[in-house]
Amino acid sequence: GAGVSQSPRYKVAKRGQDVALRCDPISGHVSLFWYQQALGQGPEFLTYFQNEAQLDKSGLPSDRFFAERPEGSVSTLKIQRTQQEDSAVYLCASSLDGEKLFFGSGTQLSVL
Amino acid sequence: GENVEQHPSTLSVQEGDSAVIKCTYSDSASNYFPWYKQELGKRPQLIIDIRSNVGEKKDQRIAVTLNKTAKHFSLHITETQPEDSAVYFCAAGSGYALNFGKGTSLLVTP
Repeated sequence: GAGVSQSPRYKVAKRGQDVALRCDPISGHVSLFWYQQALGQGPEFLTYFQNEAQLDKSGLPSDRFFAERPEGSVSTLKIQRTQQEDSAVYLCASSLDGEKLFFGSGTQLSVL
Repeated sequence: GENVEQHPSTLSVQEGDSAVIKCTYSDSASNYFPWYKQELGKRPQLIIDIRSNVGEKKDQRIAVTLNKTAKHFSLHITETQPEDSAVYFCAAGSGYALNFGKGTSLLVTP
């Protein structure tokens, strides 16, 4: 594809609802990252995959957050029992060399 | 862990003037320093990066300088244009681990 694709673009959830955010990386990019961007802030690291292996999940805020990339391509970030503080833009990025990041447009999550 | 401080948080310049954004980092092991531009409602895009074995890098109107001893690096934009208006993020890290600054909102007025 032309770039990293994320869906949905916007998601409104009621507090306590589960959500799933999808990321389609650039074809051939081994590395995939999830970041959380609060309003007016820089992206904060959540987790990192190399192919299907989740090598670092130290940035996930709680055990309500779970990410997977079962076939080393598409990745899903799942948030269980959403809370208001989860409201943010969730950015996915892929990379060929593990450093230069190509970001998607993000999913803006609003928890009411 | 790495801590990246960025300033100023907002910057307004007139078209044609230069703009400078500065960042400091805490982890001396950091060896990769990219800059990303994020236009309103759009994705961050890499505009320039520098590694710790280089002191300066230039790409047309954009340049980045790195002072490893002082642990700071700067983005310089010359001859600014209205389309340079955006939020700029610096980042520092090594390998895959990048930490971002909080961003600088640059406004270029005609």
